[in-house]
Amino acid sequence: EAGVAQSPRYKIIEKRQSVAFWCNPISGHATLYWYQQILGQGPKLLIQFQNNGVVDDSQLPKDRFSAERLKGVDSTLKIQPAKLEDSAVYLCASRKSGATYNEQFFGPGTRLTVL
Amino acid sequence: AQSVTQLDSQVPVFEEAPVELRCNYSSSVSVYLFWYVQYPNQGLQLLLKYLSGSTLVKGINGFEAEFNKSQTSFHLRKPSVHISDTAEYFCAVRLIQGAQKLVFGQGTRLTINP
Repeated sequence: EAGVAQSPRYKIIEKRQSVAFWCNPISGHATLYWYQQILGQGPKLLIQFQNNGVVDDSQLPKDRFSAERLKGVDSTLKIQPAKLEDSAVYLCASRKSGATYNEQFFGPGTRLTVL
Repeated sequence: AQSVTQLDSQVPVFEEAPVELRCNYSSSVSVYLFWYVQYPNQGLQLLLKYLSGSTLVKGINGFEAEFNKSQTSFHLRKPSVHISDTAEYFCAVRLIQGAQKLVFGQGTRLTINP
């Protein structure tokens, strides 16, 4: 079974530029998460989708970050415009729905450097 | 709201020595507990989890952890470490009911010296 796929793996941009990340979850996983991991810190949830609906985006900086999950499969996370403090690894994760507990599987992440 | 504190940011250990990585959590309601490992330039991999039942849980790569409800702790242990265990380790919690997001600690970097 293929894991969670993310692209690109690395991205370097100047501040005030725009950037987009892509995530393809494990087939059949209805729940999808985007986490931000700043160097030296644990991952922090940005947004959670259930199919193509948003469940939790309370920690998403909505003035510059946006995310969508069209058709309930792939997802994109966009930053516009980027700031220096957005430099981080952006992790995508997915899980099945239904049971009380299903494991979250993480992708390899996209490392963003904002200069 | 839940929170997780990992008491050591870095732990250096000699190869074949035992190791303990400490984790304390705070939550007003019941939670599931997890340990994840992150190797360089990779995503997070689940080491082990506590959902219910026996408070001593065993995971992959010879790791185990003990849930202590009275001390709100979930320390990770391995009796003999290898060079390949060098990685970042994250403790995390998740509510049993309601929001299913993971809340992570800040991580502990485990360095194994030969």
